[in-house]
Amino acid sequence: GAVVSQHPSRVICKSGTSVKIECRSLDFQATTMFWYRQFPKKSLMLMATSNEGSKATYEQGVEKDKFLINHASLTLSTLTVTSAHPEDSSFYICSARTSGSFLMGLSYEQYFGPGTRLTVT
Amino acid sequence: ELKVEQNPLFLSMQEGKNYTIYCNYSTTSDRLYWYRQDPGKSLESLFVLLSNGAVKQEGRLMASLDTKARLSTLHITAAVHDLSATYFCAVDTLNRDDKIIFGKGTRLHILP
Repeated sequence: GAVVSQHPSRVICKSGTSVKIECRSLDFQATTMFWYRQFPKKSLMLMATSNEGSKATYEQGVEKDKFLINHASLTLSTLTVTSAHPEDSSFYICSARTSGSFLMGLSYEQYFGPGTRLTVT
Repeated sequence: ELKVEQNPLFLSMQEGKNYTIYCNYSTTSDRLYWYRQDPGKSLESLFVLLSNGAVKQEGRLMASLDTKARLSTLHITAAVHDLSATYFCAVDTLNRDDKIIFGKGTRLHILP
């Protein structure tokens, strides 16, 4: 099955520093990747949608200068949390959507990574 | 704006009982998903429902979709403790703006 990895799985950083989270599709090409954040006991909140080779589309209320997204290739997207603050502490989950035609029987399902727990002290 | 509502948000039930989680969404959709999330973990895909009347079953879980009513259900049969988790439904707007919108989730606690 389609596998999505994230790295790191857990990171602790100090306020003011930047943290980069990688999301990779391991056995398929993903033209679109999504970044979510999840607070404890809450639902997933979509932060942005990134398409390979183009600028990410951010959801309303998400600061694009704070959460930098780069989708450099069909298998890699990165999220950089710049100048991190304690309120940025959260569980960040990426997902990747396969490319291809539904008519060809390929699924448009999103495959989720294992998540990255960010703690900013 | 597409909205997805789940109910109940919290459910505590005895082993062996049956129950249903409901998912309503506000506009037409292309696909509906059910996911399971265990504490501290990411999402596990359970079902993808593509068309009106679709029904899928896996073990003690069965999901159905009524696109006319904009309603999906996740039915649990003879619950066991291992099914304790949070269940999310999500709706896909692929042909409009390429997003999945999640419901708030249902925290299911099954008492042994």
